[in-house]
Amino acid sequence: TQLLEQSPQFLSIQEGENLTVYCNSSSVFSSLQWYRQEPGEGPVLLVTVVTGGEVKKLKRLTFQFGDARKDSSLHITAAQPGDTGLYLCAGPDSWGKLQFGAGTQVVVTP
Amino acid sequence: DTGVSQDPRHKITKRGQNVTFRCDPISEHNRLYWYRQTLGQGPEFLTYFQNEAQLEKSRLLSDRFSAERPKGSFSTLEIQRTEQGDSAMYLCASSGQGRYEQYFGPGTRLTVT
Repeated sequence: TQLLEQSPQFLSIQEGENLTVYCNSSSVFSSLQWYRQEPGEGPVLLVTVVTGGEVKKLKRLTFQFGDARKDSSLHITAAQPGDTGLYLCAGPDSWGKLQFGAGTQVVVTP
Repeated sequence: DTGVSQDPRHKITKRGQNVTFRCDPISEHNRLYWYRQTLGQGPEFLTYFQNEAQLEKSRLLSDRFSAERPKGSFSTLEIQRTEQGDSAMYLCASSGQGRYEQYFGPGTRLTVT
């Protein structure tokens, strides 16, 4: 079983601050996906990273895939209250089913 | 494209009752997945279909759980003789041929009293 560990579990910051959340595994993944989930809703796909060392930007969000494809990070610049949510990383097994980390709960206060 | 839909959004049932949930995937997606999520955890895989064939079931899926996708379109997940431990968010996702990205529905929140 490939396990994904996310850190920190919880992060509370003020609007305008920067934050980074991490997703780590001892296993190699062909790709990793990042989702954001709000209370009572399903996860919403933010990005998929595929190539080791890849960096993708989505407005104020920057995603990086580790060179060895075992880890990933999500950096948010100048966080806004709308960034509040549970950030989940997930990686597929050979059949395509996703294994999720436990998530990082991010709270951005005005 | 209206995305993945799930029905109902919420279900409260008494222990021992049967419940059935429905998922309508994105229309051109051939793969459909069911996950369960409890508070403070990421989603856990339950089962998945490629077209109408159920290809894998998790060990989490006891004999009380059954899923179908009769025509390769919508899917149903039935839980018989519900237990309090079944209380969770049940999520459905779909993906296209050869794609790993999965798109999730809003989930069905089950509460067993």
